[in-house]
Amino acid sequence: QTVVTQEPSLTVSPGGTVTLTCASNTGTVTSGDYPNWFQQRPGQPPRALIYSTRSKHSWTPARFSGSLLGGKAALTLSGAQPEDEADYYCLVYSGGAQLWVFGGGTKLTVL
Amino acid sequence: EVQLLESGGGLVQPGGSLRLSCAASGITFSSSAMSWVRQAPGKGLDWVSSISGSGASTYYADSVKGRFTISRDNSKSTLYLQMNDLRDEDSGVYYCAKDDLTGSSRGISYWGQGTLVTVSS
Repeated sequence: QTVVTQEPSLTVSPGGTVTLTCASNTGTVTSGDYPNWFQQRPGQPPRALIYSTRSKHSWTPARFSGSLLGGKAALTLSGAQPEDEADYYCLVYSGGAQLWVFGGGTKLTVL
Repeated sequence: EVQLLESGGGLVQPGGSLRLSCAASGITFSSSAMSWVRQAPGKGLDWVSSISGSGASTYYADSVKGRFTISRDNSKSTLYLQMNDLRDEDSGVYYCAKDDLTGSSRGISYWGQGTLVTVSS
């Protein structure tokens, strides 16, 4: 069974850059896992940011970007804003009976 | 504008049943795969179940297999989740979400606001 791991928490300074990662216990995360990234602010539903590794939705701020880095999926935030403080979740496509697998989430603090 | 509106949540005793609904608008529902995702209080997101646009294919997390049934009525643009034999650990906010599955792309794009399920005696 696939288990996806993220950093529990990260801190970034306003205007700074931070990279969140998403690792799989099955090995290297590849484009074939179609990693997705979501942002969730307190009391709000998740909001999709990135799909299929690096594709952005029409509403995704330009400062967010997705990539593969060192065998993991990565979400990079360049020029952090106070409103970026939130929980971030990655999601990989398993394709088998367990269609989707979420990571445990990263709490991002902008301070 | 895409809207996914969940309903049907509430308080239920362990062993009880609930049926969640998700009314969709602003999308071509019959060609959209859909999913249910839940979130226990203070915890992370947890994929529950998915269904293809036609309804012919369904998928379940091991934790709910045999107890939950996902279905859809494309004539009503509505997604359902029948939940039986509910347990304390099934408590949380249940979100309806739209999957985007194409030949070269996989993702979940739109989310509803969620409906709260509380399993407690």
